[in-house]
Amino acid sequence: GNSVTQMEGPVTLSEEAFLTINCTYTATGYPSLFWYVQYPGEGLQLLLKATKADDKGSNKGFEATYRKETTSFHLEKGSVQVSDSAVYFCALSKGGGFKTIFGAGTRLFVKA
Amino acid sequence: EAQVTQNPRYLITVTGKKLTVTCSQNMNHEYMSWYRQDPGLGLRQIYYSMNVEVTDKGDVPEGYKVSRKEKRNFPLILESPSPNQTSLYFCASRSFYGGEETQYFGPGTRLLVL
Repeated sequence: GNSVTQMEGPVTLSEEAFLTINCTYTATGYPSLFWYVQYPGEGLQLLLKATKADDKGSNKGFEATYRKETTSFHLEKGSVQVSDSAVYFCALSKGGGFKTIFGAGTRLFVKA
Repeated sequence: EAQVTQNPRYLITVTGKKLTVTCSQNMNHEYMSWYRQDPGLGLRQIYYSMNVEVTDKGDVPEGYKVSRKEKRNFPLILESPSPNQTSLYFCASRSFYGGEETQYFGPGTRLLVL
C-alpha cells in the first residue's frame, strides 16, 4: 500500500544552519507530494507541493524536489530561523484520489 | 477569508457520552475530510466526503460517524467515546483544480475521554 516515511526528530539546529528533513514514499503510479508545517497550537498549513517527477516545490525559502528514481521528496532550507520551529509533515495523495497519506512528522527546534 | 472552522477547540468528556465536533468551510469545496493526530503516527484519515450525502471510510473509521447534509458542514460524531479516542482532531477541505490539489486544515479539536 501507499506509505510515507520521514526522518525521526526532533531535529535541533542553530539559527542560519542548513536544514534537511528526509522523506521517502511508497506508492503506485505518480502521486502528488506535499510538505505541511504545523506551528504550535495550530492546524497544518501547506508549505509546498510537487505533482510530477523532477518538479521542485518552493515556498518561504524551503525547497523539495520530486525524485521518482529514489522515491524521495526531501525538504531543505539554506538558512533556518527561530520562527521555523515547528512540526513538518511529508504527505502524498494519488492525484484526484480521496486519500492523503501522512508521515509521522518531524519536529524542528531552531535555537537563537 | 478562506477558512475551516472547528468547534469546540477543547473538550473533556467521559466514556460513553455522545459528542459531536462541528466543521465548516467557506470555500465551497466538495471534498472534506477528518483526521486524527497521535504522537509518532502523524495524521490518519478517519472519514472523507466527496460531496453532499457522499461519504466513505478512511483508514481508522471505527467508533466514528459522519454526515454531509450541506456542502459547507461535515460534523464528526462519536456515539460512545472511549479513552482510545483521546486525540487531536483536524477537519480539512480540499480544492482540486487543473490537476492540482490544495488542502486547508482547521485549527484542531483536542479531545480527552476519561
